[in-house]
Amino acid sequence: DGGITQSPKYLFRKEGQNVTLSCEQNLNHDAMYWYRQDPGQGLRLIYYSQIVNDFQKGDIAEGYSVSREKKESFPLTVTSAQKNPTAFYLCASLRQGGNEKLFFGSGTQLSVL
Amino acid sequence: GDSVTQMEGPVTLSEEAFLTINCTYTATGYPSLFWYVQYPGEGLQLLLKATKADDKGSNKGFEATYRKETTSFHLEKGSVQVSDSAVYFCALRDYGGSQGNLIFGKGTKLSVKP
Repeated sequence: DGGITQSPKYLFRKEGQNVTLSCEQNLNHDAMYWYRQDPGQGLRLIYYSQIVNDFQKGDIAEGYSVSREKKESFPLTVTSAQKNPTAFYLCASLRQGGNEKLFFGSGTQLSVL
Repeated sequence: GDSVTQMEGPVTLSEEAFLTINCTYTATGYPSLFWYVQYPGEGLQLLLKATKADDKGSNKGFEATYRKETTSFHLEKGSVQVSDSAVYFCALRDYGGSQGNLIFGKGTKLSVKP
């Protein structure tokens, strides 16, 4: 089945550590997105990529980095500069064209030890 | 800037009750409007959408009508089920923008009791 796979489902970060969240899609979509979800806060856009080897900052990019070396993959690194990383992270990809639709992965819960 | 405001939860209903979740928006252009649903521990799924004024989106018994005059997109269902328990997000897309650049409301948690 086509879809978006995020891993791991749960992740723990130690003080000063960088961690990387994986996002893979086999939907052949060009555009991919990372959102952060905090309780009662809705979703906020971290980074997005419209095409391979290109990406743009979203509303809350500070303390995060991404890469887009392959169409299928859009990993997110939470760096030590992100002082409040505990959140639920969601990856999405976009089916473009006349019937646009955003497809979401099942998320990664990141917590600080 | 553009924004979405939806009613705060949690909302608790008995099975077969009528559901309304209010959503209003602020936008400078002509946005498309969406309702997404998130079941526990999962990502979001598109529930319904409307792309222009007076359009009605519908899916799985849920409906919402794009009301430009009141800048609203309220979600309704005539008879809720326990399986409808989830968090519901209202969202808009900037005019001319990619759907990926959605602006989300804060979400409304719905609990349906048997």
